[in-house]
Amino acid sequence: NAGVTQTPKFQVLKTGQSMTLQCAQDMNHEYMSWYRQDPGMGLRLIHYSVGAGITDQGEVPNGYNVSRSTTEDFPLRLLSAAPSQTSVYFCASSYSGEKLFFGSGTQLSVL
Amino acid sequence: DAKTTQPPSMDCAEGRAANLPCNHSTISGNEYVYWYRQIHSQGPQYIIHGLKNNETNEMASLIITEDRKSSTLILPHATLRDTAVYYCIGFWGGSNYKLTFGKGTLLTVNP
Repeated sequence: NAGVTQTPKFQVLKTGQSMTLQCAQDMNHEYMSWYRQDPGMGLRLIHYSVGAGITDQGEVPNGYNVSRSTTEDFPLRLLSAAPSQTSVYFCASSYSGEKLFFGSGTQLSVL
Repeated sequence: DAKTTQPPSMDCAEGRAANLPCNHSTISGNEYVYWYRQIHSQGPQYIIHGLKNNETNEMASLIITEDRKSSTLILPHATLRDTAVYYCIGFWGGSNYKLTFGKGTLLTVNP
């Protein structure tokens, strides 16, 4: 049972670099979302999608892009990494938006 | 979605019941109460949810007051592995899909 798979688990970037965090789920869930979690803080919603071809902004969308070309995949793109984007990123999916299944996270450091 | 208030931290002895409170005085009639937990550095894990009635599953019990302004998550026999941050969330999927996590309660189970 793969569930929600995030890659990579760790990443170090230099300021200004771009990269894509990958998220895939094999549960045929329509809803997928990205959160970031800073030390000592709760999770903040970045972007979410309610189905292929549909995305919307969450609480902290600036500096991030998403697309949803398939039901399975929901990549998160950092266009020009900044130190403020140093965080742990979690991808989640669910059948209808509330009972979320989370991935194991990507720890990102931007120098 | 309803604003929830939780104590920042609680302690519990191993083998005893852990009772985690949550206030959600602004919850609307169609909002469910969801509980998740996050064990250190892992993705959050769904525990239980309810609307009006008390709920029980293999992980925990959820007691919701009759006026629905507060609830209590009960771990009947806490173990060291239950040490985690517990999040209480009010959510109605029909309004939007922005499940919002606060800072939660850090439950420390002591031997």
